[in-house]
Amino acid sequence: ETGVTQSPTHLIKTRGQQVTLRCSSQSGHNTVSWYQQALGQGPQFIFQYYREEENGRGNFPPRFSGLQFPNYSSELNVNALELDDSALYLCASSLSAGMVTGELFFGEGSRLTVL
Amino acid sequence: QKEVEQNSGPLSVPEGAIASLNCTYSDRGSQSFFWYRQYSGKSPELIMFIYSNGDKEDGRFTAQLNKASQYVSLLIRDSQPSDSATYLCAVNARMNTGFQKLVFGTGTRLLVSP
Repeated sequence: ETGVTQSPTHLIKTRGQQVTLRCSSQSGHNTVSWYQQALGQGPQFIFQYYREEENGRGNFPPRFSGLQFPNYSSELNVNALELDDSALYLCASSLSAGMVTGELFFGEGSRLTVL
Repeated sequence: QKEVEQNSGPLSVPEGAIASLNCTYSDRGSQSFFWYRQYSGKSPELIMFIYSNGDKEDGRFTAQLNKASQYVSLLIRDSQPSDSATYLCAVNARMNTGFQKLVFGTGTRLLVSP
């Protein structure tokens, strides 16, 4: 186990709804990254948070947003859900030294199904 | 050109054989290279990382890095049925903020038959 916990593990939503996914990072890790993994694909980078600020974002629309809290836990929010948002959402924590991010440790993921 | 490329497989090997998994990357500035194993329905699990050219061994696993050829590989010796999984190659990339992220390939599915 990595010590990274995510909730909920599974959820079903309908198009147009909003969802919030939560992540608690491994003790001592100050950086949280979120990835989307569609079936049969590799994880795609959504964004990364360090010291409560977003420090990088992948090719995802603004309806994907996030937060990092002082205890380094994090949330991923997705508004106006679309069918293509159905995927495994992975949270990963890491220890950053300045701008260099170390290896990622993943939680078990939140599997989102949009109907 | 994709940033990180892997053959999707499946790569089928008999039990006890050596499995060789390959990955190429496009960013010559990349300095950190990772291999993750992902069982079906589970999240990726870090199994190896390598920063320097050459080989790095850890038990039955050997990671090989050739920065000149922008190529990284993972060898699994004495393959076991429990090694059957998807193997993801990940490479660090610098974002325009100056911070770094990991970019993943699509993964190679490995099947080890008894």
